[in-house]
Amino acid sequence: QAVVTQEPSLTVSPGGTVTLTCGSNTGAVTSGHYPYWFQQKPGQAPKTLIYDTSNKHAWTPARFSGSLLGGKAALTLSGAQPEDEAEYYCLVSNSGGNWVFGGGTKLTVL
Amino acid sequence: EVQLVESGGGLVQPGGSLRLSCEASGFTFSNYGMNWVRQAPGKGLEWVSFIGSGDSPIYYTDSVKGRFTISRDNAKNSLYLQMSSLRAEDTALYYCAIERLVYWGQGTLVTVSS
Repeated sequence: QAVVTQEPSLTVSPGGTVTLTCGSNTGAVTSGHYPYWFQQKPGQAPKTLIYDTSNKHAWTPARFSGSLLGGKAALTLSGAQPEDEAEYYCLVSNSGGNWVFGGGTKLTVL
Repeated sequence: EVQLVESGGGLVQPGGSLRLSCEASGFTFSNYGMNWVRQAPGKGLEWVSFIGSGDSPIYYTDSVKGRFTISRDNAKNSLYLQMSSLRAEDTALYYCAIERLVYWGQGTLVTVSS
């Protein structure tokens, strides 16, 4: 089973830009892995921000965007807000219909 | 409004069994595959299992294969997870989530401890 890696923690200044990445030990993450990005705040269920690499839901703030970057899936936050402080998880498709979450990135807006 | 309500969690001894349920409303349940995802206390998310809209396909993460069984009853708009041979490392908040993980429930807590 693949191991999916994310930065354990990142800090961004209010109004700043930050990119979170999601890599796999089996090789490059591609659109064929259908990468997802989730935001989770303490005590809450996760909320889907991005699906299939770069698609947004109706509730996804425009300041979030998804892409592929250097063999990894990436989530870019442009114009960080205090309410964006949260844990962020990526999810990628694995072989045999399975899915694997990354370990999560704790994003601090400071 | 889509609602997913999990139930059935609780305290169980190692080696024991438990059956989780997820009651769905606000959408045509029979048209969608469903997932179980868990989160150990203070830890990250772990995808557990998926069942297709018509009872297939079915997938499990390696750590629960042979111990957990996912099922559904479309007439009751309900998803289930039968868990057996439970281990301490199965202790987690168990979420059900619709196909493509668009909507999630609030979770039910399973604690495996003697």
